[in-house]
Amino acid sequence: ETGVTQSPTHLIKTRGQQVTLRCSSQSGHNTVSWYQQALGQGPQFIFQYYREEENGRGNFPPRFSGLQFPNYSSELNVNALELDDSALYLCASSPLGVRYGYTFGSGTRLTVV
Amino acid sequence: QQQVKQSPQSLIVQKGGISIINCAYENTAFDYFPWYQQFPGKGPALLIAIRPDVSEKKEGRFTISFNKSAKQFSLHIMDSQPGDSATYFCAASMNQAGTALIFGKGTTLSVSS
Repeated sequence: ETGVTQSPTHLIKTRGQQVTLRCSSQSGHNTVSWYQQALGQGPQFIFQYYREEENGRGNFPPRFSGLQFPNYSSELNVNALELDDSALYLCASSPLGVRYGYTFGSGTRLTVV
Repeated sequence: QQQVKQSPQSLIVQKGGISIINCAYENTAFDYFPWYQQFPGKGPALLIAIRPDVSEKKEGRFTISFNKSAKQFSLHIMDSQPGDSATYFCAASMNQAGTALIFGKGTTLSVSS
């Protein structure tokens, strides 16, 4: 098992720009979810992909979008960055869904200036 | 609306003592309750989880107590060690496709030696 890897680890962007974050799921995991964790807060659900289809979404605007690829790796795209988007973005994979246990990556720390 | 309320926000315990973290929920559709441990610079890691058909689950020094009627659950860390110093999150989810984990705000535990 290689675990969940995310890239980059840190990123600084300017307000209004677009960003793409990447995640490589743990081997055998076909479900991937993305969470936003603001400083001092618990993670908040952005969306989930199962076999390349989005099958769940939290209370985030459409400028947050994603993709899951046939090898189950994933991307999170954020358009028109706002200062409040500064946070740790976590990717989590699971063999069948959250109830079978997530494996989280170490996250991407995004700073919007 | 915060669906999972966690307390205390921070906790200091002597080495060898018992750490207790509490969570309360409102949504009776929740039926999976995990606890996650997060160290600085890392993603959350699943510690222990419980479903509401049992009132207690123990794994090593970690125990979840679950009170369905009160809609509360708690994490007990016995014989707390300095290596347990981390942020702990309770969470909850429902049994439906695409469902997410709803996290509490976290408890920062410091175990002093």
